[in-house]
Amino acid sequence: DAGVTQSPTHLIKTRGQQVTLRCSPKSGHDTVSWYQQALGQGPQFIFQYYEEEERQRGNFPDRFSGHQFPNYSSELNVNALLLGDSALYLCASSFSIAGGLGEQYFGPGTRLTVT
Amino acid sequence: QKEVEQNSGPLSVPEGAIASLNCTYSDRGSQSFFWYRQYSGKSPELIMFIYSNGDKEDGRFTAQLNKASQYVSLLIRDSQPSDSATYLCADSLSGAGSYQLTFGKGTKLSVIP
Repeated sequence: DAGVTQSPTHLIKTRGQQVTLRCSPKSGHDTVSWYQQALGQGPQFIFQYYEEEERQRGNFPDRFSGHQFPNYSSELNVNALLLGDSALYLCASSFSIAGGLGEQYFGPGTRLTVT
Repeated sequence: QKEVEQNSGPLSVPEGAIASLNCTYSDRGSQSFFWYRQYSGKSPELIMFIYSNGDKEDGRFTAQLNKASQYVSLLIRDSQPSDSATYLCADSLSGAGSYQLTFGKGTKLSVIP
């Protein structure tokens, strides 16, 4: 049973550029959440996708956008990169339950460095 | 603002001892609580979740929840050097239309052989 997969593993970008990160959820899961984890901090919720729509969004600017495809995989796009966007980006998949949140399982993450 | 607080540590325990990790949360509406383990340079791994007051045991791990005190803990019995990692506590308003996890900063645990 394949777990959550993410690509790429590492990425180096220049300030002002745009980046796309990808995630495939665990088999049987239909919901994808994205988190940003800065060094020494806990993960911070960016947004969650369910049924190809953004269901909830955290306190992140519009430079962060996403998409979910019919096969439940997802992309995170970040425009106009800032140095402060350097972090580990985590994708978490879960199975949606009525009105709530099932257990979330994280992928290996994408380490983004902005220079 | 919704917060989850953890002592950053490091918490050092000898091999074979019980490690006790603590977490408090600010939102009385929080319904679900999760413990994740994160090794250095890796992603968080789900250890346990708890929804009801009281204790929940899974192998060497016991999660304890006290909603009146807004307090969650994780006990690790017979600690092993391989348990050395950062432990993240998270809560969720699951059931109240919220789908995000709110994480603490994590407690770094070091198990000394």
